[in-house]
Amino acid sequence: DAKTTQPPSMDCAEGRAANLPCNHSTISGNEYVYWYRQIHSQGPQYIIHGLKNNETNEMASLIITEDRKSSTLILPHATLRDTAVYYCIVRPYSGNTGKLIFGQGTTLQVKP
Amino acid sequence: KAGVTQTPRYLIKTRGQQVTLSCSPISGHRSVSWYQQTPGQGLQFLFEYFSETQRNKGNFPGRFSGRQFSNSRSEMNVSTLELGDSALYLCASIRDGETPEAFFGQGTRLTVV
Repeated sequence: DAKTTQPPSMDCAEGRAANLPCNHSTISGNEYVYWYRQIHSQGPQYIIHGLKNNETNEMASLIITEDRKSSTLILPHATLRDTAVYYCIVRPYSGNTGKLIFGQGTTLQVKP
Repeated sequence: KAGVTQTPRYLIKTRGQQVTLSCSPISGHRSVSWYQQTPGQGLQFLFEYFSETQRNKGNFPGRFSGRQFSNSRSEMNVSTLELGDSALYLCASIRDGETPEAFFGQGTRLTVV
């Protein structure tokens, strides 16, 4: 079973920030938080990951609470092309593992 | 650099037949994992191969199998196809490292009739 809980759907106005929450209350100390997104019928795309510090890259920012039980993915200026299903995943820091346990994700609809 | 290549992109098979799907990972990646995606069950992990050895296996019946070759290319096979096997099958190429990253292919859309 997935170790994360996400709202099933969210809307966001184009140009505004999209804030996608994720609960991972049972996360272990050796587990990272990863975010992927899947645009209709394509393979999932990596967005960002973090352990306990906030992270930022060219696509998004990841804010992890101090107790690490929840996180928020922020798309600072959402565009129509950001409409997708967003998955929050926890995975262990164990070197090489390709086993990702996906939940149902959040369907983000960016509206003009 | 080239991405993950899955072939074929689309496939239609009849119940009872068997099917083989192929995945070529990104050059230099030694690990490949497979996923099944259906509207009802979402994305589910099938199995993972690393250096020709199965490293992890999901909760699927024995009709689902896979293998990996010395060049890291991987195949998955489904025997005695059922209607419920209709799905998008995704392959992920895993980059080694402290924080592994998965790169997914476009998938193979299998329809069983």
